[in-house]
Amino acid sequence: AQSVTQLGSHVSVSEGALVLLRCNYSSSVPPYLFWYVQYPNQGLQLLLKYTTGATLVKGINGFEAEFKKSETSFHLTKPSAHMSDAAEYFCEGAQKLVFGQGTRLTINP
Amino acid sequence: DADVTQTPRNRITKTGKRIMLECSQTKGHDRMYWYRQDPGLGLRLIYYSFDVKDINKGEISDGYSVSRQAQAKFSLSLESAIPNQTALYFCATSDLRGGLTAQYFGPGTRLTVL
Repeated sequence: AQSVTQLGSHVSVSEGALVLLRCNYSSSVPPYLFWYVQYPNQGLQLLLKYTTGATLVKGINGFEAEFKKSETSFHLTKPSAHMSDAAEYFCEGAQKLVFGQGTRLTINP
Repeated sequence: DADVTQTPRNRITKTGKRIMLECSQTKGHDRMYWYRQDPGLGLRLIYYSFDVKDINKGEISDGYSVSRQAQAKFSLSLESAIPNQTALYFCATSDLRGGLTAQYFGPGTRLTVL
């Protein structure tokens, strides 16, 4: 099956702590992988994307993700969480238009 | 003004009613999509269109139909709404020029079927 899996429907971190949101894709999903963020009552916005080239991709708001083919992963990280990062995050297998289930990120003061 | 607009933003209807959700875009993109979002399930593709003459079923097209009236307009219809179609619906657009690009999403339509 063509799938993208996000481990953890809800992640909670303290302000200033490392953010790690996990995304794994099935081998049948071509490795064109995007991360989107959804703030309350809004549509999704692109954070970053991997298509070809450098496997470490930097996005907006200090987020980055590393494509690891051997692990079929594309995890999203941010070194220091900010209160404004509280949102829901989605990983997408872009060529197949397949989204993960989403991870809701909560930031504790 | 927003690049992708959806109307209505909220709708409550009854089982068996016909509902149309509309999407308009000013980005000049050829590709348009309809998704539904349900808690714990992420976004699932209902229909997509790569140009005005192209319509394709997505993962969950049963109970839905679409019309691509123009490059800028893509509407989603529920011919006979049922309660399990209660969800948040998103329209999105994308442009393939320059390679695989991100989708641009509208603000969503919250549909409740009683």
